[in-house]
Amino acid sequence: AQKVTQAQTEISVVEKEDVTLDCVYETRDTTYYLFWYKQPPSGELVFLIRRNSFDEQNEISGRYSWNFQKSTSSFNFTITASQVVDSAVYFCALRGTGGGNKLTFGTGTQLKVEL
Amino acid sequence: NAGVTQTPKFQVLKTGQSMTLQCAQDMNHEYMSWYRQDPGMGLRLIHYSVGAGITDQGEVPNGYNVSRSTTEDFPLRLLSAAPSQTSVYFCASSYSPDSSTDTQYFGPGTRLTVL
Repeated sequence: AQKVTQAQTEISVVEKEDVTLDCVYETRDTTYYLFWYKQPPSGELVFLIRRNSFDEQNEISGRYSWNFQKSTSSFNFTITASQVVDSAVYFCALRGTGGGNKLTFGTGTQLKVEL
Repeated sequence: NAGVTQTPKFQVLKTGQSMTLQCAQDMNHEYMSWYRQDPGMGLRLIHYSVGAGITDQGEVPNGYNVSRSTTEDFPLRLLSAAPSQTSVYFCASSYSPDSSTDTQYFGPGTRLTVL
């Protein structure tokens, strides 16, 4: 069985602070894929990043960065110099091999960035 | 491309009523799926389809039917609505579940309330 845990239910920060959203996953598959999606207050789900299990390179995209560590089964997401527009619910998700391309989602982390 | 479209955006039903949630994509994606989002539970897979004429059950299929007569459309039918089906429903699509670069893109969602 696959499982994704986002232990942080809600995080509040002041604008310009850095914030890290944690994601821990469980899977028996040797090949798997990890994702982060953003859900702003408007409700849509916005794809942010996909990481394959065989690629442990960290990635940076502007103020966003992702740290993938297979040794600890974690795929954490850091926002540098947070902005009010970053306020959203962030979901981490896992897709294994087989199982119909099913995405297993974590319960999400609500990020509130205040002025 | 319009991407993944869903109709309606909002719907209120009475217990026992039936309805169909529409989902369409214009990206020639093979894979389509339906998820429901409930507070504190992330998103859970209801049904999915790997191509026209092929559907299968996800994690929470009871009370829902699907069909895939064309590549573009993947409607979700509630046969006899129950209050437990009050949720936000997301349709998603992706090019090919067998690809390591495959990413699911989500529609804007349908907020359903069953009284």
